[in-house]
Amino acid sequence: SAVISQKPSRDICQRGTSLTIQCQVDSQVTMMFWYRQQPGQSLTLIATANQGSEATYESGFVIDKFPISRPNLTFSTLTVSNMSPEDSSIYLCSVYHGNTIYFGEGSWLTVV
Amino acid sequence: GENVEQHPSTLSVQEGDSAVIKCTYSDSASNYFPWYKQELGKGPQLIIDIRSNVGEKKDQRIAVTLNKTAKHFSLHITETQPEDSAVYFCAAKNFGNEKLTFGTGTRLTIIP
Repeated sequence: SAVISQKPSRDICQRGTSLTIQCQVDSQVTMMFWYRQQPGQSLTLIATANQGSEATYESGFVIDKFPISRPNLTFSTLTVSNMSPEDSSIYLCSVYHGNTIYFGEGSWLTVV
Repeated sequence: GENVEQHPSTLSVQEGDSAVIKCTYSDSASNYFPWYKQELGKGPQLIIDIRSNVGEKKDQRIAVTLNKTAKHFSLHITETQPEDSAVYFCAAKNFGNEKLTFGTGTRLTIIP
């Protein structure tokens, strides 16, 4: 299995500011994913982050709003830029490891 | 792209009884079907998965069945306990594409 740590676990953010979420994995993984889960909803993929290449974004998500870094095989960051109340969600880091996909505990963001 | 439907959206079961959650998928190329349990305030936890080369998999009180012809798969929980109360998500993907497509979730409540 893979153990995933996310920081921050929870934050309250002011409208118009940006916040960077960190994801650390205890194993080297090729593929990392970032998901958003809006209150009471299912999970929606934001982007796939592979080390050494630009992140691949899903329809409806753009790099200017959600810039992603992937500096090595165990770490990634997701920035939520110029936040609005609609960005209040759980942001989840996920990795593909051993033919299985694992999730972190999530970062719960509330934008006020 | 893949579309996954999940039913029911809510399910209440008497403690000790069985619970069944059903999902259908649209992409016949999908060949990996995990189930995740999400407790309040936590990230999704993989509880069982099945690949398309088998029709059923069991792990203690939890089992998953897959019908590739009908493109549906189900989660079965027997002898339910209060700690089974959570939101359960099904998902699907194929090995040519490592992205998961999630169902809409089922809120399971075990009544003591």
